[in-house]
Amino acid sequence: DGGITQSPKYLFRKEGQNVTLSCEQNLNHDAMYWYRQDPGQGLRLIYYSQIVNDFQKGDIAEGYSVSREKKESFPLTVTSAQKNPTAFYLCASSIDQGGGQPQHFGDGTRLSIL
Amino acid sequence: DAKTTQPPSMDCAEGRAANLPCNHSTISGNEYVYWYRQIHSQGPQYIIHGLKNNETNEMASLIITEDRKSSTLILPHATLRDTAVYYCIVRGSYNYGQNFVFGPGTRLSVLP
Repeated sequence: DGGITQSPKYLFRKEGQNVTLSCEQNLNHDAMYWYRQDPGQGLRLIYYSQIVNDFQKGDIAEGYSVSREKKESFPLTVTSAQKNPTAFYLCASSIDQGGGQPQHFGDGTRLSIL
Repeated sequence: DAKTTQPPSMDCAEGRAANLPCNHSTISGNEYVYWYRQIHSQGPQYIIHGLKNNETNEMASLIITEDRKSSTLILPHATLRDTAVYYCIVRGSYNYGQNFVFGPGTRLSVLP
């Protein structure tokens, strides 16, 4: 089945540690996105990528980094500079960014601080 | 992107149609209406989207008024598994690289 796979489902971070969240899609989509969702809140855009080897900052990129070396993969690193990393992280993809195409989401990774 | 207004919560009896309204009175000509739903601890699930015409797929129907200022998502035969928060989003086709803005949505409870 085509879809977006995020792993792990749950992740714990120690103080001062960088952690990487995985996002893989087999939908052959060009565009990929990372969002953060806090309890009772909407989604906020962290980073997005239109194409391989290209990515742009979203609204809350500070303390995060990404790479897009392959079309199907868009990992997110939460660095020690992100002081409030506890949240639900969602990865999404779309065929491209324009033309009214919907974004399709993975099932998320819940990150907590130890 | 235009702002949307949805009722905070609704109930629906199992097996009946669930009609979820959305107001988007400031929508502009090239903005689409999207519906997603989110079940607790899962990612948002895409349901349907449309521009001007009514749309139907295997999950739901989307009815957009002629003036495009409001729309209704119809789940024809609601089941308990349809209990979720439903989000109505308006987004322009020109919005390259912009996120989908998820507001508070409507919490739909399907009752046995």
